[in-house]
Amino acid sequence: AQTVTQSQPEMSVQEAETVTLSCTYDTSESDYYLFWYKQPPSRQMILVIRQEAYKQQNATENRFSVNFQKAAKSFSLKISDSQLGDAAMYFCAYRSQGGSEKLVFGKGTKLTVNP
Amino acid sequence: DAGVTQSPTHLIKTRGQHVTLRCSPISGHKSVSWYQQVLGQGPQFIFQYYEKEERGRGNFPDRFSARQFPNYSSELNVNALLLGDSALYLCASSLEAGGINEQFFGPGTRLTVL
Repeated sequence: AQTVTQSQPEMSVQEAETVTLSCTYDTSESDYYLFWYKQPPSRQMILVIRQEAYKQQNATENRFSVNFQKAAKSFSLKISDSQLGDAAMYFCAYRSQGGSEKLVFGKGTKLTVNP
Repeated sequence: DAGVTQSPTHLIKTRGQHVTLRCSPISGHKSVSWYQQVLGQGPQFIFQYYEKEERGRGNFPDRFSARQFPNYSSELNVNALLLGDSALYLCASSLEAGGINEQFFGPGTRLTVL
């Protein structure tokens, strides 16, 4: 079974600075998808960024980018120019390419943005 | 356009009771998945339904069941509630099943079992 580990329960960053959230995963599959989701205090989970394992190029979405290291099974999220609205729980998630749409989530990292 | 909606928002039940949670996907979305999120943890997959058929089941006891209706809305049923069933129950919908489709999450139903 696949597992996702987020080793940083909490992180903090100053507004306008850059922060990197870590995620590692364990799988024996070669094709899969990886996601970062954001869950603000209002609870609704929002997709931040996604990566297909067969793509070597790291995904980017505006201020958000990932560092995908397939051999190391690492998928970190970098947030540049942090904003107060970035404060939330961030979850890393894994999904197999075939079968169901089951997402396997890590335990999350709580990000605080200081003004 | 309306996002994924869930009802009720909050629910309080006692041990042994039964509960039904409801989810309406985004218009046009055919796939619905259910997750349980215990406080301080990441969501755990319970079920996925696509075109009214079960496509995936997580490691949950048979007390948990679900179904999807012809309009793609879905119900999650939990029988014989235990204290440990207290959690936020999230519903997510996607346009199709499979691929790198984005799953859109609803606001959740907070279930408290006393």
